[in-house]
Amino acid sequence: GQNIDQPTEMTATEGAIVQINCTYQTSGFNGLFWYQQHAGEAPTFLSYNVLDGLEEKGRFSSFLSRSKGYSYLLLKELQMKDSASYLCASIYNQGGKLIFGQGTELSVKP
Amino acid sequence: EAGVAQSPRYKIIEKRQSVAFWCNPISGHATLYWYQQILGQGPKLLIQFQNNGVVDDSQLPKDRFSAERLKGVDSTLKIQPAKLEDSAVYLCASSLVGEGAAEAFFGQGTRLTVV
Repeated sequence: GQNIDQPTEMTATEGAIVQINCTYQTSGFNGLFWYQQHAGEAPTFLSYNVLDGLEEKGRFSSFLSRSKGYSYLLLKELQMKDSASYLCASIYNQGGKLIFGQGTELSVKP
Repeated sequence: EAGVAQSPRYKIIEKRQSVAFWCNPISGHATLYWYQQILGQGPKLLIQFQNNGVVDDSQLPKDRFSAERLKGVDSTLKIQPAKLEDSAVYLCASSLVGEGAAEAFFGQGTRLTVV
């Protein structure tokens, strides 16, 4: 299988920075996505990494280390609207299977 | 461009009944995914199509679930008979290509309640 692990829940304060970690199985790995999902809504795309390093997009950045099977999503200047579930998903060579982790429920408090 | 369309949005059925969900992907997207998302969990891949062929259905409970994608466009997912544990949101997603890095776009999902 392609086990993907991420913390179940995190809490942070408005205006702060939070890092959400994700580890995945490296065999057949072909890229990593981060999605955001608000309660009762569909997941929406945040970022994609295929090479090692940091990808920055506004307040959100995502990092990948292929050799370590590790990624993180960094959220800066947290806002209340960032309270959501953050899903790490890996795509694998075998037909491009897109496998999701359990999601990290982030609560942003005033 | 139009997004991924799913219907119905909500469905309540009794256990042992049958139900079907419909998905219309974004035009031109070759890959179509069906996911099951139980409350508080991440989406679980049930089946993946590339055009009208099945790429992966290893986690589809084939004794009760079936899916098809006629002509490589629309898809239907059927459950027959339903069990209480099938209560979940069923998400359809589509992407441009099957391998490599194509972002998957999701529909709004169908929320199924089995009573």
